[in-house]
Amino acid sequence: QLQLQESGPRLVKPSETLSLTCTVSGDSINSDSHYWGWLRQPPGKGLEWIGSVSYTGTVHYNPSFISRLTISVDTSTSQFSLHLTSVTAADTAVYYCARRPYYHGFDVWGPGTSVAVSS
Amino acid sequence: EIVVTQSPATLSVSPGERVILSCRASQTIRYLAWYQQIRGQAPRLLIDAVSSRATGVPARFSGSGSGTEFTLTISSLQSEDFALYFCQQYHSWPLTFGQGTRLEIQ
Repeated sequence: QLQLQESGPRLVKPSETLSLTCTVSGDSINSDSHYWGWLRQPPGKGLEWIGSVSYTGTVHYNPSFISRLTISVDTSTSQFSLHLTSVTAADTAVYYCARRPYYHGFDVWGPGTSVAVSS
Repeated sequence: EIVVTQSPATLSVSPGERVILSCRASQTIRYLAWYQQIRGQAPRLLIDAVSSRATGVPARFSGSGSGTEFTLTISSLQSEDFALYFCQQYHSWPLTFGQGTRLEIQ
């Protein structure tokens, strides 16, 4: 059974870089029919798609983040990562990683990790 | 970017009632999903490709629509259905979500 698990620091200082990793277990990340995505949900607000990556490294980014976002994949460790630079308090949110089959919705989600941006 | 708008923001209903949640896209789309989010949990895929129930989703949940107008219907609300519901288009990048509809117990 496929499982995703986010990991990374829970507290990041303003202007620094937020780095998170999603570990995929129970199935292969080397799938030519899935995207692996990052999403977030600020406190009390809705869901926001950040970006997605395929196992080949092809990425799609939300234009709202494109100037400070990098998403990458490491198939040797079955992980994909998010790096968001120059964070502000507005980046405080629960961050989720999730799988999305081509032409389908996000069908498997990690439990989420809460990240606060504060000095 | 395709803007997705959900209505209403909050719906107060009683157990056993039938409820219809609406989702509108700013342009014609073919691919839309619905998610349920219980407080403190990750979202769960309910409906895929407008009308296909995801694995394990009860038959009381159904999706329909076309073009720019879509609905999620819950035929008879159970206590566990009082949650937050989002629609999401994956017709084109960037992927976008509606703001959500919260079902509250009346």
